[in-house]
Amino acid sequence: GAVVSQHPSRVICKSGTSVKIECRSLDFQATTMFWYRQFPKQSLMLMATSNEGSKATYEQGVEKDKFLINHASLTLSTLTVTSAHPEDSSFYICSARGDSLAKNIQYFGAGTRLSVL
Amino acid sequence: QKEVEQDPGPLSVPEGAIVSLNCTYSNSAFQYFMWYRQYSRKGPELLMYTYSSGNKEDGRFTAQVDKSSKYISLFIRDSQPSDSATYLCAMTNAGKSTFGDGTTLTVKP
Repeated sequence: GAVVSQHPSRVICKSGTSVKIECRSLDFQATTMFWYRQFPKQSLMLMATSNEGSKATYEQGVEKDKFLINHASLTLSTLTVTSAHPEDSSFYICSARGDSLAKNIQYFGAGTRLSVL
Repeated sequence: QKEVEQDPGPLSVPEGAIVSLNCTYSNSAFQYFMWYRQYSRKGPELLMYTYSSGNKEDGRFTAQVDKSSKYISLFIRDSQPSDSATYLCAMTNAGKSTFGDGTTLTVKP
C-alpha cells in the first residue's frame, strides 16, 4: 500500500510558539492532501484540503491564519500552527491521495500529538 | 442527519468471535467504500476498499456492500486481541470522502 510519513509524532511547545508538521508521500505523488484534527475518543474533523500548487481550502470554522498549510510539491505538505495556545493541543493527522493510485482512496500518516503548555 | 452513520459501539467480544461492524449512508452517489482501522494514538490504516456491491475478502476480513439498501459491513472472523481498535467506514463521491464516527472494538483474550 501507499505510505504517508508524518513528522514529528509528538511535539510539546510553549504557548505563543509556532509548530510545523510535515506530511510526505513516500512512494506516490500526492495530488491532494488533507489535514484532520482529532480529539480523544472523537471522530476525525477535516480542517483543510490542499492541492499541489494551490491555496488550501479550509473547512468552516478553521482559522486560515492560525493553521497555515503549504503544499508546494507533489510529495510534501506542511501544517504550521502559528502562535499555538493550549486549546490547540490535539492530535493532527494528514492524509494523501494520488492519481497513480485508486483516486478516491486516502492514505493516512501516523499523526502528530501536539501539547501546548 | 449525517450522510454516513456508523454503529457507535463500543463493542466487546471474546477472542475467536465473529465481529460485524456496520455503516449506513444516505447518498446514493457514493462510489468507493472503505474500512480503516485506527489504533490508539495512531493514524487510520486502510484495511479494505470496494467499488461495487458484493463481498470482498482478505484473510479474516470480509467487506460487504449493499448499494440497494445503502448499507456496508465489515466482518472479522476469528477475532484476535490485536484487532482491538477503532474501525472507521468511509465513502467517496467525486473525490470527496465522508467518514463515519468509528466503532471501538475490544477483543478480550
